[in-house]
Amino acid sequence: GENVEQHPSTLSVQEGDSAVIKCTYSDSASNYFPWYKQELGKRPQLIIDIRSNVGEKKDQRIAVTLNKTAKHFSLHITETQPEDSAVYFCAAKDDYKLSFGAGTTVTVRA
Amino acid sequence: KAGVTQTPRYLIKTRGQQVTLSCSPISGHRSVSWYQQTPGQGLQFLFEYFSETQRNKGNFPGRFSGRQFSNSRSEMNVSTLELGDSALYLCASRQDGNTEAFFGQGTRLTVV
Repeated sequence: GENVEQHPSTLSVQEGDSAVIKCTYSDSASNYFPWYKQELGKRPQLIIDIRSNVGEKKDQRIAVTLNKTAKHFSLHITETQPEDSAVYFCAAKDDYKLSFGAGTTVTVRA
Repeated sequence: KAGVTQTPRYLIKTRGQQVTLSCSPISGHRSVSWYQQTPGQGLQFLFEYFSETQRNKGNFPGRFSGRQFSNSRSEMNVSTLELGDSALYLCASRQDGNTEAFFGQGTRLTVV
């Protein structure tokens, strides 16, 4: 089955700096890669996703890149703000199953 | 439209008991997945249902089971509860294919 590894597990950045989270997956059949943000006490919510036929996608301060050959994908947050502080999960979908990484706790220091 | 609804929000059970959790998906969504969330372990996949059929199952013991009804509502059952089953149980619904999964607020289960 699919195995998703996510790094780092914690990330502390100064407000205004960039944050990068990296994930690798094992199943070459995976074709959909969403990223979820979970604020304290709240449900995970989709922030951006990318499909296997696309190498990069951007939405305002958030961007995701995908390298299918190397089986890794990354989340980039630029100009971080305090409201970006949360746990971020990457995921990979093969067939019907969405497998998640262990999460990255991002803290933005004011 | 209404989001994914999970009931109850909180549960306290004793070891050995069994529990049933409920998930009502977004109208029109036929896929419902269940996840266990514990600190440091992320979201562990339990199973996924589509049109009343279990399509995929994670690596959990047989004490964890589920079902889906014709209206797409899903239930998850855990029998013979253990202390280690204490967790936040999340369900997510989506239309089929590579589409966004919408999560419910979860059921916080505490086993004492």
